Amino acid sequence: AQSVTQPDIHITVSEGASLELRCNYSYGATPYLFWYVQSPGQGLQLLLKYFSGDTLVQGIKGFEAEFKRSQSSFNLRKPSVHWSDAAEYFCAVLLREYGNKLVFGAGTILRVKS
Amino acid sequence: DSGVTQTPKHLITATGQRVTLRCSPRSGDLSVYWYQQSLDQGLQFLIQYYNGEERAKGNILERFSAQQFPDLHSELNLSSLELGDSALYFCASSVGTGADTIYFGEGSWLTVV
Repeated sequence: AQSVTQPDIHITVSEGASLELRCNYSYGATPYLFWYVQSPGQGLQLLLKYFSGDTLVQGIKGFEAEFKRSQSSFNLRKPSVHWSDAAEYFCAVLLREYGNKLVFGAGTILRVKS
Repeated sequence: DSGVTQTPKHLITATGQRVTLRCSPRSGDLSVYWYQQSLDQGLQFLIQYYNGEERAKGNILERFSAQQFPDLHSELNLSSLELGDSALYFCASSVGTGADTIYFGEGSWLTVV
């Protein structure tokens, strides 16, 4: 079955340090991949997406993600984390066999320490 | 601001009651989606409508129903509410049914007491 795995439930990084959030997907066809961020009490904001083409995609707020088909991964990175990046991050794959359906990972909660 | 508007933002109701959540999609978007976010189930797809027609269905309970109106706004009706229905309900929208970007609203917090 199609699924998305985010192996890290919580990650804590120091402000100014680099960040990598892991995402692995299980999907037989060409994946359409997304990263969303949810700040406390807020909705889901789209950070970036991968549909095709360049496997390194740039998003908002200085985030980027790299699609690696051989590893079935779509990891999110940021070179220098700011305190305002503390939030929960969700990776998702879009299933298109029957309508459009986003399947989400369980999320990774990012804590930033000063 | 994603452009997807949901009302109400917060709702507290008793078990056995019925509530309606409302969603206005982004201007120009024809597809509307409903998702449920709970602590035990995470983010779950409920249903998709495209231009007034049901397009895809997820794990939506029979007590729940949705519709999309001619002006493209959508409503999610939740009836015979149980404590376990307490969750954050998101509406989202996209242009069509292709490989589109899906934009989410800020959600409606439902607490069933």
